[in-house]
Amino acid sequence: AQTVTQSQPEMSVQEAETVTLSCTYDTSENNYYLFWYKQPPSRQMILVIRQEAYKQQNATENRFSVNFQKAAKSFSLKISDSQLGDTAMYFCAFMKAGGETSGSRLTFGEGTQLTVNP
Amino acid sequence: ETGVTQSPTHLIKTRGQQVTLRCSSQSGHNTVSWYQQALGQGPQFIFQYYREEENGRGNFPPRFSGLQFPNYSSELNVNALELDDSALYLCASSLVRGGHLETQYFGPGTRLLVL
Repeated sequence: AQTVTQSQPEMSVQEAETVTLSCTYDTSENNYYLFWYKQPPSRQMILVIRQEAYKQQNATENRFSVNFQKAAKSFSLKISDSQLGDTAMYFCAFMKAGGETSGSRLTFGEGTQLTVNP
Repeated sequence: ETGVTQSPTHLIKTRGQQVTLRCSSQSGHNTVSWYQQALGQGPQFIFQYYREEENGRGNFPPRFSGLQFPNYSSELNVNALELDDSALYLCASSLVRGGHLETQYFGPGTRLLVL
């Protein structure tokens, strides 16, 4: 079974600054995906960024980037130029690759509440 | 907006009743997964439907059941409701292509309160 751990229940950052959210995971799988989702007060779970484990290059999406360390089983999210709209609960999630016969499921961490202050 | 819709948005039931939640998947997607999110926690996987059959199940009792229809929409049914079933229920749609399940996109959720 896979586990995902987010050790920072809450974080805050000033607008326009940079913040890094931490995530570690445990798995015996070699092929998998890692995700960061954000959940604002509206409750909608929104995909932020995705990383394939077989790719060594870290994923980036505009102001969002990850630091994927496969050997250390670490997957942190860096948000640059933080904006007020980034205020949300952020979840790190793991999914085993290959879903047609095994029912790929997302395993989530407990979340990190990020507040961006003006 | 992901194109995944859920209904209803809110629901109040009493203990022992039955409830049906609905999800319409994003256009082009063929797989629906359901998650339960208790207050202050991360979502927990309930089950997944692919080709109208259950394709993986989490640690939930049989009173949690589901369906997937030919148009790939889905229902989650919960019988004999318990107080602990109060939660946000999230539906996620995705595409299985080439034997791989791609990224899951979530709907807005249904908030269920059991009294």
